[in-house]
Amino acid sequence: DTGVSQNPRHKITKRGQNVTFRCDPISEHNRLYWYRQTLGQGPEFLTYFQNEAQLEKSRLLSDRFSAERPKGSFSTLEIQRTEQGDSAMYLCASTRASGGTQYFGPGTRLTVL
Amino acid sequence: AQKVTQAQTEISVVEKEDVTLDCVYETRDTTYYLFWYKQPPSGELVFLIRRNSFDEQNEISGRYSWNFQKSTSSFNFTITASQVVDSAVYFCAQISNFGNEKLTFGTGTRLTIIP
Repeated sequence: DTGVSQNPRHKITKRGQNVTFRCDPISEHNRLYWYRQTLGQGPEFLTYFQNEAQLEKSRLLSDRFSAERPKGSFSTLEIQRTEQGDSAMYLCASTRASGGTQYFGPGTRLTVL
Repeated sequence: AQKVTQAQTEISVVEKEDVTLDCVYETRDTTYYLFWYKQPPSGELVFLIRRNSFDEQNEISGRYSWNFQKSTSSFNFTITASQVVDSAVYFCAQISNFGNEKLTFGTGTRLTIIP
């Protein structure tokens, strides 16, 4: 299996701009997760998809954040009107089944100037 | 509520020394999974081990070993004969809330192996 891939790897944007990240999970993994990691911290859960259905969103995910997983394959995470506090590493993970190991992509590092 | 505590923020050891990374977890569930991930400077989280709550048997994989003790809610990780390539941030994590099964991570331990 190829691993989880994420694009872009780095994104620098100005405050107020919109950004979109993409995650391609391991094929046949029906569960996909987004996490956010700030400096010196462990990753924190943002949202979760089972196939194309978004089943849970963290309170960390403000109204400016939206995620989709059309057709249950790749997923996108969009941040509208970015703020400096959005600067972080955005990680995507996928797993095949309940209780399974989540495999992570390389992440997208966002810097908001 | 789920919580994972990694009290050791940073550890430095000289190459070839053994080192143990501590992890204490909290959960009210009887069924849960525990994980260790490695995050090298490149940033990608690398899976190391998964353990379910019903299996307290210790595990060894090469220079890595894990000690799971439910009585103390601990899942410690030992690297034997450390190498410079072991330098990374190590995260302990758990899944307890069956349903979405999100990972709850500790704050990580930065391990530096001094040549």
